[in-house]
Amino acid sequence: AQKITQTQPGMFVQEKEAVTLDCTYDTSDPSYGLFWYKQPSSGEMIFLIYQGSYDQQNATEGRYSLNFQKARKSANLVISASQLGDSAMYFCAMREVGYTGANSKLTFGKGITLSVRP
Amino acid sequence: GAVVSQHPSWVICKSGTSVKIECRSLDFQATTMFWYRQFPKQSLMLMATSNEGSKATYEQGVEKDKFLINHASLTLSTLTVTSAHPEDSSFYICSARDIAGTVTDTQYFGPGTRLTVL
Repeated sequence: AQKITQTQPGMFVQEKEAVTLDCTYDTSDPSYGLFWYKQPSSGEMIFLIYQGSYDQQNATEGRYSLNFQKARKSANLVISASQLGDSAMYFCAMREVGYTGANSKLTFGKGITLSVRP
Repeated sequence: GAVVSQHPSWVICKSGTSVKIECRSLDFQATTMFWYRQFPKQSLMLMATSNEGSKATYEQGVEKDKFLINHASLTLSTLTVTSAHPEDSSFYICSARDIAGTVTDTQYFGPGTRLTVL
């Protein structure tokens, strides 16, 4: 089974509106971390936000917030007040504690393309 | 956030030649660095994990003799694509973690290197 699932093929949002990018995950580890990255056309992976499995509150970073629903194993990214510069590909990723040590690695979803319309 | 640099940002080479890509952590020491490969509109595929002073751990299906990885210091890892062929053309991205062993470590990415083999 896929560990990270991002099924939305592409999303469009009007500038200044909010948008939610979906991410579901699959793990049997009780301790894990969830990450969201943005990749604009330049190719650089930009870290946006992190959510730990034991965190009681949803993570927020500026216009980004993570809607973490542990029981449903979902970690959706919410971008408020979309800007034209938000147009990019967005990746959800997970690191499981079962891969502890220096070699623990991120597992990425397939990504979602977001286009912000003026 | 932490900065990871990659050099060169793009390279064009002839088939049969070798190409070296450098990855540096600029403001932190990276005990672990990761090398990814990405095809257009697709997710990141982990190629190998390198630890400073030891041999890299390659993912299944990645040719060790084809993609040589050296992590000689806490701030530098190199990927050498040996005897490159057109099918090796891709976007290569390195990543580094500044603290080893915890699930919460943020992983920072370099800007990527676009390799084109003629």
